[in-house]
Amino acid sequence: QSVLTQPPSVSAAPGQKVTISCSGSSSNIGINFVSWYQQLPGTAPKLLIYDNNKRPSGIPDRFSGSKSGTSATLGITGLQTGDEADYYCGTWDSSLSGYVFGTGTKVTVL
Amino acid sequence: EVQLVESGGGLVQPGRSLRLSCAASGFTFDEYAMHWVRQPPGKGLEWVSGISWNSGRTGYADSVKGRFTISRDNAKNFLYLHMNSLRAEDTALYYCAKGKLGIILEAFDIWGQGTMVTVSS
Repeated sequence: QSVLTQPPSVSAAPGQKVTISCSGSSSNIGINFVSWYQQLPGTAPKLLIYDNNKRPSGIPDRFSGSKSGTSATLGITGLQTGDEADYYCGTWDSSLSGYVFGTGTKVTVL
Repeated sequence: EVQLVESGGGLVQPGRSLRLSCAASGFTFDEYAMHWVRQPPGKGLEWVSGISWNSGRTGYADSVKGRFTISRDNAKNFLYLHMNSLRAEDTALYYCAKGKLGIILEAFDIWGQGTMVTVSS
């Protein structure tokens, strides 16, 4: 069982905005950087956000990240059908001395 | 082009061993931490193990500690995962992933396509 909790699914119409929460604890999100990964159906995960709110080159600014206390949030604006995927948060857990992923959230574009 | 290519997966009986390999190209391999992440069919991601740029630090998930060993050959640009005492719950698609920095605490910015490991009698 994961130590990072995400909602199983979120949905919105094209062009709308969705947010995905990631809840952790003082040993992981509370003291370490959070990353977000997008996994399109049948493909390997891809890094979307690192260091809480930074985007790798090539990732559009429709994707944003934030962190407050022991929770983090991924935002997607201008939702497109191509955004339908599973999204995972991730961070280092200093108590476990290991990297942990969230439970994953499926984004559906209505 | 930055690329990670995994190999070595397959069908193996419970209790047996298997070695996964990951060939890296397109970046300076010995400057970055490397990791193994797995995904059971239809389930989420699980970090398995990580190794720092110079092999000075390694880390393992509790589920594999004592059974799996990560290693790297910086001269050949290869990452390995030696898996012993395999169990049915180890069945998963195993991804090789590159760390953003040389230490193992950071995000994974490049992923391979994965190699499937099936543990079954």
